[in-house]
Amino acid sequence: QKEVEQDPGPLSVPEGAIVSLNCTYSNSAFQYFMWYRQYSRKGPELLMYTYSSGNKEDGRFTAQVDKSSKYISLFIRDSQPSDSATYLCAMSATRGSTLGRLYFGRGTQLTVWP
Amino acid sequence: NAGVTQTPKFQVLKTGQSMTLQCAQDMNHNSMYWYRQDPGMGLRLIYYSASEGTTDKGEVPNGYNVSRLNKREFSLRLESAAPSQTSVYFCASRSRLAEETQYFGPGTRLLVL
Repeated sequence: QKEVEQDPGPLSVPEGAIVSLNCTYSNSAFQYFMWYRQYSRKGPELLMYTYSSGNKEDGRFTAQVDKSSKYISLFIRDSQPSDSATYLCAMSATRGSTLGRLYFGRGTQLTVWP
Repeated sequence: NAGVTQTPKFQVLKTGQSMTLQCAQDMNHNSMYWYRQDPGMGLRLIYYSASEGTTDKGEVPNGYNVSRLNKREFSLRLESAAPSQTSVYFCASRSRLAEETQYFGPGTRLLVL
């Protein structure tokens, strides 16, 4: 079993829809939770991160972490065609380490059509 | 400020050939990483370097070697390329002050025939 599970999709929604992307994980030591966005033929770019449990909002994006359920979510409100990309969740176990190794989900491919 | 740069952008090799993928960062980051990305597999860590002068194996190190040339540069070498190494390779770097953030390069697409 992979440490981080993510449904690869693809997910296709109309413009303006609310999108929900999710990951589950098995390692209870994970403390930092991130979402990366990757456009076609580009490198991943950090979209949002949260520490431990709770919510974090940034414009149209909201990240949620439920450590009791080992479940994280990314919500996109008023989705736009420019949001079409692959979204990867990532997690890190330790803050004190100089390594900061990230464990990635497989990514969910999202298409927002006009 | 270019961030993380990778060369080449695209490469075709024949089985058994060797090549080195170059990566450089100008953000004064301590840690650097090499990943490969394959369809349906996500990003998998090949090697990493926590600081200048140190390197360690990641999840899929077989068939690869790395060199942390200095703080800026981290290269990945394929000594004898195999078709199974056809992939997109990403280099990333991370600051000790921002453990949650890794910055990725644009990637190198490698095709091994």
